[in-house]
Amino acid sequence: DVKVTQSSRYLVKRTGEKVFLECVQDMDHENMFWYRQDPGLGLRLIYFSYDVKMKEKGDIPEGYSVSREKKERFSLILESASTNQTSMYLCASSLQGSGSYEQYFGPGTRLTVT
Amino acid sequence: GENVEQHPSTLSVQEGDSAVIKCTYSDSASNYFPWYKQELGKGPQLIIDIRSNVGEKKDQRIAVTLNKTAKHFSLHITETQPEDSAVYFCAASEGGYSSASKIIFGSGTRLSIRP
Repeated sequence: DVKVTQSSRYLVKRTGEKVFLECVQDMDHENMFWYRQDPGLGLRLIYFSYDVKMKEKGDIPEGYSVSREKKERFSLILESASTNQTSMYLCASSLQGSGSYEQYFGPGTRLTVT
Repeated sequence: GENVEQHPSTLSVQEGDSAVIKCTYSDSASNYFPWYKQELGKGPQLIIDIRSNVGEKKDQRIAVTLNKTAKHFSLHITETQPEDSAVYFCAASEGGYSSASKIIFGSGTRLSIRP
């Protein structure tokens, strides 16, 4: 079974802090994604990566950056956390070239910025 | 870019009855339409998907239909059971390599099954 793990289930940070959310997948997937989930807005793509050191902006990249130094690990960085970044953050991965576009999600990190 | 609208936002049905969730999309280039189910405390999980060259697909109690002309697709769950209670997301994708299988999600439907 594909496993996507996220470093924390719950996180509380203060405004202005630098925040790191880590995601690790164990199935050698090329693609990795970061989403935020807010009630009534569904899942919105923040950034994605299709290879090591490669990244592309999603629909709401402002205030976020990402890092992918190793194939299995994709980090989301909030350079200076703000209260409007309080949300559920979901990481996902998928395989390239298999004909299947299924994304496998981690359990999520609920981040509260106070 | 692609925009996916999903209705209703909440749905309550009696156990054993059917549930239908509807979505529309805007980009005619989209050719892959997955549905994800998110149970409490978990990440979304793919339950069924359909490609644009197919009008309908069924897997046991769930089925999806696609009308490319109208840019509509729907999820049908028959003989609903308590374990069907969850949030359901529709999505659309161009499915191309260059987009790394980027998927646009709808806003979600919270389905509750009444005993």
